[in-house]
Amino acid sequence: AQTVTQSQPEMSVQEAETVTLSCTYDTSESNYYLFWYKQPPSRQMILVIRQEAYKQQNATENRFSVNFQKAAKSFSLKISDSQLGDTAMYFCAFRDYGGSQGNLIFGKGTKLSVKP
Amino acid sequence: AAGVIQSPRHLIKEKRETATLKCYPIPRHDTVYWYQQGPGQDPQFLISFYEKMQSDKGSIPDRFSAQQFSDYHSELNMSSLELGDSALYFCASSSFGTGIQETQYFGPGTRLLVL
Repeated sequence: AQTVTQSQPEMSVQEAETVTLSCTYDTSESNYYLFWYKQPPSRQMILVIRQEAYKQQNATENRFSVNFQKAAKSFSLKISDSQLGDTAMYFCAFRDYGGSQGNLIFGKGTKLSVKP
Repeated sequence: AAGVIQSPRHLIKEKRETATLKCYPIPRHDTVYWYQQGPGQDPQFLISFYEKMQSDKGSIPDRFSAQQFSDYHSELNMSSLELGDSALYFCASSSFGTGIQETQYFGPGTRLLVL
């Protein structure tokens, strides 16, 4: 069974600085998807960024980028120029490639606080 | 852009009562997922539907059932509610296929409190 591990329960960063959230996963599959979701205090689950395992290029979305290391099964999220609105719980999630086993498997989350 | 709609947003029930949660997926999305998120926990997969058929089942109690209707909306029925069922229930939708279509978009959730 696939597992997702986020080893940092809580992190904090100063506004405008850069922070990296860690995520490792375990799978025997070669094709899969990885996601980072953000859950602010409103508890809405918001997609931040996604990565397809067969793509070597790391995904980027504005201030958010990932460092995907397939051999190491690592998928870290870098937030540049942190803003107060980035304060949230961040969940790393894994999904099998295609087929009916499409549910997301989440890590336990990292609570990020951006300080002014 | 249209998002996933869930109703009601908040629900308070007594123990042993029943509850029905509704989910309206993003237009043209054919797959619906239900997740349960307890306080301070990560979301846990309950059940999913593709083209109105159950496609996968997770840690859903036997007291819960769900279905997807012809208009693709889905309902999660919960009976004999227990205190431990108090949680945030998310519905997510996606479009079956590969690549970007497989991304799940979440609704705002239904907060269920069982007293």
